Amino acid sequence: KQEVTQIPAALSVPEGENLVLNCSFTDSAIYNLQWFRQDPGKGLTSLLLIQSSQREQTSGRLNASLDKSSGRSTLYIAASQPGDSATYLCAVNDYKLSFGAGTTVTVRA
Amino acid sequence: ETGVTQTPRHLVMGMTNKKSLKCEQHLGHNAMYWYKQSAKKPLELMFVYSLEERVENNSVPSRFSPECPNSSHLFLHLHTLQPEDSALYLCASSQRDVTRGYTFGSGTRLTVV
Repeated sequence: KQEVTQIPAALSVPEGENLVLNCSFTDSAIYNLQWFRQDPGKGLTSLLLIQSSQREQTSGRLNASLDKSSGRSTLYIAASQPGDSATYLCAVNDYKLSFGAGTTVTVRA
Repeated sequence: ETGVTQTPRHLVMGMTNKKSLKCEQHLGHNAMYWYKQSAKKPLELMFVYSLEERVENNSVPSRFSPECPNSSHLFLHLHTLQPEDSALYLCASSQRDVTRGYTFGSGTRLTVV
């Protein structure tokens, strides 16, 4: 059974600092990995989808890396803003989508 | 809106009530999913429908009954729920092509009293 772990569980940074969110998974036989953002009480917004054959994906200030063999992915958010405050979820697709518990980010103005 | 629409956004129901959650997608996807998100816990997959056929039921109690009448619509029928069923219920859709990502709705916040 796929186990997905996200570290840290919570993170508070001043505005402008870069964010580094970590995700690890136990079974490396995956098709892809997807990072989502969730605002309180809301649904999930897809940020980046990275295929198992890719090493990284970028969108604006966001960059996700994937090291499938070691079962790790990292989401980098450059020059954080208060609007980046949310919970970030990592989901691994090995035919089913398995989620981590998320990292709750607070960016202080 | 994300392309996946869920109604209602909020629902309060008594333990003896019967209610239904609705999910609709206009993305041309052929798989739909129900997830449950409880406080402090990862999202839990409840049901999977592929081409309108249920392909997965993750040991969900029978008080939750899914229905997928066509590839664009998914329902979750609720009856005699317990307070511990209070949670955010999320619908998602995707192509069954495993290289594609998932699109989620905004969820229904369910409170059982």
